[in-house]
Amino acid sequence: EVQVLESGGGLEQPGGSLRLSCVASGFTFSGFAMSWVRQAPGKGLEWVSTIIGGGGSTYYAASVKGRFTISRDNSKNTLYLQMNSLRAEDTAVYYCAKLRGLRYFDWSFDRWGQGTLVTVSS
Amino acid sequence: QSVLTQPPSVSGAPGQRVTISCTGSSSNIGADYDVHWYQQFPGTAPKLLLYANNNRPSGVPDRFSGSKSGTSASLAITGLQAEDEADYYCQSYDSTLSGRVFGGGTRLTVL
Repeated sequence: EVQVLESGGGLEQPGGSLRLSCVASGFTFSGFAMSWVRQAPGKGLEWVSTIIGGGGSTYYAASVKGRFTISRDNSKNTLYLQMNSLRAEDTAVYYCAKLRGLRYFDWSFDRWGQGTLVTVSS
Repeated sequence: QSVLTQPPSVSGAPGQRVTISCTGSSSNIGADYDVHWYQQFPGTAPKLLLYANNNRPSGVPDRFSGSKSGTSASLAITGLQAEDEADYYCQSYDSTLSGRVFGGGTRLTVL
């Protein structure tokens, strides 16, 4: 069974840093792109970042570019999101999601973790 | 403001048919990128409901269907059931933003 499980969320002050992790199982991790998607309290979904299976290419939403870094360790089946210079507006549940599809532009998020809550507040 | 526009809410009685629209532009849906739909119950993670415009993952009832035309897409649910009450999101790719984009979400209420 395909599973992804996030961890690392918590309370952090503005300007601080947090690192999220996502452990995957049930599929060939290195063969699939992975993403982080977030959802602010009471709000909709927002794509944050994507990393290709081999880890060579990464993509970011404008709202986090230059502050967040996505990475992966395929030997550990683990996805990471390093979040620096955190802002109040980064407060959200962060979901790890597996991508699937034929063409890069047409990939869908076919498996989601349960999410981890990040709260940025003083 | 979401790049893809959905109605905030729709409702219908059990057994009825409802549709949820997703309106984009020439840089996303109109650029022939696929549209995907997700279902989310309160307090839980989203779940892929339809992929590539009108394809159902294993386990999704055929009461759910999708369509796409021009710069818009829609999700149709027939034979509405109480268990369908949830939030629904459309998603595509946007070439101007160089990233994946979501609609603002639609809350479906079963009367």
